[in-house]
Amino acid sequence: GESVGRHLPTLSVQEGDNSIINCAYSNSASDYFIWYKQESGKGPQFIIDIRSNMDKRQGQRVTVLLNKTVKHLSLQIAATQPGDSAVYFCAESTQGAQKLVFGQGTRLTINP
Amino acid sequence: DTAVSQTPKYLVTQMGNDKSIKCEQNLGHDTMYWYKQDSKKFLKIMFSYNNKELIINETVPNRFSPKSPDKAHLNLHINSLELGDSAVYFCASSPPGLAGTGELFFGEGSRLTVL
Repeated sequence: GESVGRHLPTLSVQEGDNSIINCAYSNSASDYFIWYKQESGKGPQFIIDIRSNMDKRQGQRVTVLLNKTVKHLSLQIAATQPGDSAVYFCAESTQGAQKLVFGQGTRLTINP
Repeated sequence: DTAVSQTPKYLVTQMGNDKSIKCEQNLGHDTMYWYKQDSKKFLKIMFSYNNKELIINETVPNRFSPKSPDKAHLNLHINSLELGDSAVYFCASSPPGLAGTGELFFGEGSRLTVL
């Protein structure tokens, strides 16, 4: 299957610190990007999105940065809290493709 | 009220059996999807329907047959279950006109275990 050989990257941070989760995408034609948070036993939930005509977008405690030159997306979480523990996914789409393609996910663990 | 609801949440069955997972959304969305998440958390689209019409079929074996009786429902029927079908299946929906370019709203998932 597609996930053969894959592993789920993990990021461990101290409570109160800032977290940065990175994502590389491969399709240079992608023009819409989105971050999802998936808590254990639940479905993915929307965090923040960004379109390709922007390079930064801020939400509440979260910031998404887009670098189209190197096809890189990052999610910054300020003052990480225990409730931020989850698997985080980036996803991308291309206008007309009518679907989101998900990246592999990163597990964020918060240390007290 | 649950926006995207799937049933059952858990399903354990023997190889070779046929099973169905149901999905309903009360958001008034036009487009619905099925995604499969494997044991390594990899999420892959299987199907999408727009207003009851199939628009994406991602090379899924024909043992999988989605059915959309109306735009609020998208069910997934799986024939002759195999061990490799064990996964969590997520239903999702998206607002009108935003298929693929806007937020997806996911259900809580249906964990299928094939023995």
